[in-house]
Amino acid sequence: AQTVTQSQPEMSVQEAETVTLSCTYDTSENNYYLFWYKQPPSRQMILVIRQEAYKQQNATENRFSVNFQKAAKSFSLKISDSQLGDTAMYFCAFMKLAGYSTLTFGKGTMLLVSP
Amino acid sequence: DSGVTQTPKHLITATGQRVTLRCSPRSGDLSVYWYQQSLDQGLQFLIQYYNGEERAKGNILERFSAQQFPDLHSELNLSSLELGDSALYFCASSGGEGNTIYFGEGSWLTVV
Repeated sequence: AQTVTQSQPEMSVQEAETVTLSCTYDTSENNYYLFWYKQPPSRQMILVIRQEAYKQQNATENRFSVNFQKAAKSFSLKISDSQLGDTAMYFCAFMKLAGYSTLTFGKGTMLLVSP
Repeated sequence: DSGVTQTPKHLITATGQRVTLRCSPRSGDLSVYWYQQSLDQGLQFLIQYYNGEERAKGNILERFSAQQFPDLHSELNLSSLELGDSALYFCASSGGEGNTIYFGEGSWLTVV
């Protein structure tokens, strides 16, 4: 079974600054995907970014980028130029590639962006 | 808008009652997933269907059941409801193996 750990229950950052959210995971799989989902106060689950484990290049989506360290089983999310609208709960999630797999989530990190 | 539609958005019901939550996946997606999000348990996977067949089962109680119909929409049935069943229930869909899973806006269930 896979486990996903987010060790930072809460974080805060000021507008325009950069923040990094941590995530580690444990798996015996070699092929898998990793995701970051964002859940704002509206409670909708929004995909932020996705990383395929077989890709060495770190994924980037506008102000969001990841630092994927496969050997260390680490998958952190960096948010640059933080905006008030980034205030949300952020969930790290794992999905194995083989078969019809589902997402395993971490417990989340609450990010508060202040003016 | 993820393209996954869930109804109802909110419902309040009494203990012991039964409710049905409905989900329409994104156009073309064959897989449907149900997740429960409660304050103390986080996001818990309940069950997955692929093209009408059950594919994976998670922490789904025996009082809960689901199905996926030929038109690919899915329903989650919750019966003999207890106070602890109050939660946000998400439906999600994907195009199949390894594809990204997209979530609906959720159905808020309050059991009183």
